[in-house]
Amino acid sequence: EVQLVESGGGLVKPGGSLRLSCAASGFTFTNAWMSWIRQAPGKGLEWVGHIKSKTHGGTTDYVGPVKGRFTISRDDSKNTVDLQMSSMETEDTAVYFCVTEYYGAFNFWGRGTLVIVSS
Amino acid sequence: DIVMTQSPDSLAVSLGERATINCKSSQSVLSRSNNKNQLAWYQQKPGQPPKPLIYWASTRESGVPDRFSGSGSGTDFTLTISSLQAEDVAVYYCQQYYNIPYTFGQGTKLEIK
Repeated sequence: EVQLVESGGGLVKPGGSLRLSCAASGFTFTNAWMSWIRQAPGKGLEWVGHIKSKTHGGTTDYVGPVKGRFTISRDDSKNTVDLQMSSMETEDTAVYFCVTEYYGAFNFWGRGTLVIVSS
Repeated sequence: DIVMTQSPDSLAVSLGERATINCKSSQSVLSRSNNKNQLAWYQQKPGQPPKPLIYWASTRESGVPDRFSGSGSGTDFTLTISSLQAEDVAVYYCQQYYNIPYTFGQGTKLEIK
């Protein structure tokens, strides 16, 4: 059974940093492209970014508003993917989901972790 | 960025009746390399993560009831629930994966009339 468990959410002040982690199990993690998707309270879904498998270069892509502030990394030895967030803004307040990609569609989702950016 | 626009924003349908949700992309999401539409649909119930329903515009995910179907090509797509059940009350999202950044529609809230 595929499991994705996010951790690290919490309250952070504007301008601050936070690191989210996702522990994956139940599939071959080294072959997986992993995404982070967020959902602001009461709002829709926004793709944040992804990291490709090492086979595909292990490179990352991000949505415009987080470029230069957020960094996705992976540790294939631990089956984890992290989202490092810095220079955070109130607009980053959201539930952050760790998700597996299948050719760009999202087939398995974690339950999410809540991040609140507030002074 | 490709803009995805869903209609309507909300919809109320009687149990057993058909529900239709539309999704329009600002440019074609039909891939020339594999002749497939890079379009997916998701269902989200309150307090839960989204559940994938359909990918490649019309391929149902494993375990999804056959009352759910997807259609369309290019820029215009439809999610149809042929006979609405009470458990289908949710918000539905379309998503394109033709271009980075991947983008979602704003969501359509489906309720029982």
